[in-house]
Amino acid sequence: NAGVTQTPKFRILKIGQSMTLQCTQDMNHNYMYWYRQDPGMGLKLIYYSVGAGITDKGEVPNGYNVSRSTTEDFPLRLELAAPSQTSVYFCASSYPADRGKQYFGPGTRLTVT
Amino acid sequence: QQQVKQSPQSLIVQKGGISIINCAYENTAFDYFPWYQQFPGKGPALLIAIRPDVSEKKEGRFTISFNKSAKQFSLHIMDSQPGDSATYFCAASGGSNYQLIWGAGTKLIIKP
Repeated sequence: NAGVTQTPKFRILKIGQSMTLQCTQDMNHNYMYWYRQDPGMGLKLIYYSVGAGITDKGEVPNGYNVSRSTTEDFPLRLELAAPSQTSVYFCASSYPADRGKQYFGPGTRLTVT
Repeated sequence: QQQVKQSPQSLIVQKGGISIINCAYENTAFDYFPWYQQFPGKGPALLIAIRPDVSEKKEGRFTISFNKSAKQFSLHIMDSQPGDSATYFCAASGGSNYQLIWGAGTKLIIKP
């Protein structure tokens, strides 16, 4: 099992550009999450999904969009990148009955200049 | 009511000492309290977790103490080692939440 995989590992964007962060899990988890972590800070939930076709906003959704067409994939879209979106982005997944046991990907380090 | 408050923000402990990190919560519907460990450049990973029907859980050198009446729980790392240097997050889940509610994190440094 690969667990949770994220691509790319690193990315530099110019202000106003768009990109999609990819996240895939092979554990058949229904629940998936996107977090951002700013330097020296905790995790902030951007969006989450409780199953294919169902997504909902977290604490900091502005400037982001998500979709969930399959159980395995949960891409995060950044539209019109801004310097405030410079951060490390983590994708995670869990079983519904064990939503406290989240499995994290290795992260994507994004810089917007 | 949704917050989990974690302290201290940073902690320096000598090798072989005991590291203690504390968390407090408000929502009595929470029924699962995990601790995550994060090394630099990596995603967080579940370290140990407890449910409120027990007051303590021990796994190796790591122990969670849980005080339901005070709505507090803490992580104790016995015989702390330099390899334990990491950021530790407490969290809570339960009730109608689909989410984990995260503490702000504690950066732990173990001095050799």
